[in-house]
Amino acid sequence: QKEVEQDPGPLSVPEGAIVSLNCTYSNSAFQYFMWYRQYSRKGPELLMYTYSSGNKEDGRFTAQVDKSSKYISLFIRDSQPSDSATYLCAMSVWITGGGNKLTFGTGTQLKVEL
Amino acid sequence: SQTIHQWPATLVQPVGSPLSLECTVEGTSNPNLYWYRQAAGRGLQLLFYSVGIGQISSEVPQNLSASRPQDRQFILSSKKLLLSDSGFYLCAWRADRGLKDTQYFGPGTRLTVL
Repeated sequence: QKEVEQDPGPLSVPEGAIVSLNCTYSNSAFQYFMWYRQYSRKGPELLMYTYSSGNKEDGRFTAQVDKSSKYISLFIRDSQPSDSATYLCAMSVWITGGGNKLTFGTGTQLKVEL
Repeated sequence: SQTIHQWPATLVQPVGSPLSLECTVEGTSNPNLYWYRQAAGRGLQLLFYSVGIGQISSEVPQNLSASRPQDRQFILSSKKLLLSDSGFYLCAWRADRGLKDTQYFGPGTRLTVL
């Protein structure tokens, strides 16, 4: 079993729809939870960052963490064609000797159509 | 503000040839540095990380090596490339201290081994 599971999609939605992206994880040691957005042939860019259970909102984006269920979600409201990208969930643990290590989901490919 | 550079952006190399990819970070000191590989349709695989000059940790045994000759420089190398080394190579940095315990990615190098 992978430490982080994410549906690869592709997910296709009409413009203006609410998008729900999800990841489940098995490692209770994960402390911080992130969502990255990756456009084709580009490096991932940090979209959302959370460290506790509950919701965090930033504009049209809401990140949700449920540590008891080991489940995280990203909601996109009023989706736009510019949101078309691959969305990667990531979770971090401390590394012995300093620093952190991120474990990524495989990414969900999203297409928002006009 | 911090910026991360990678070069080259694209590289096509024959099997058996050497490799050197470079990553530099500006605007921060003593960052943690990371090399990832992203194969088509797969998530990000951590290859190496470094918490300081000359300190390299390897995550997976492979045909690659990494070095950190300066505080903000991270190099990925190979003496002889294999076909399986093809992929999208991403460098990332993490602040040694700060509010967000997360990683920021460079633009990536797309490597094709023929």
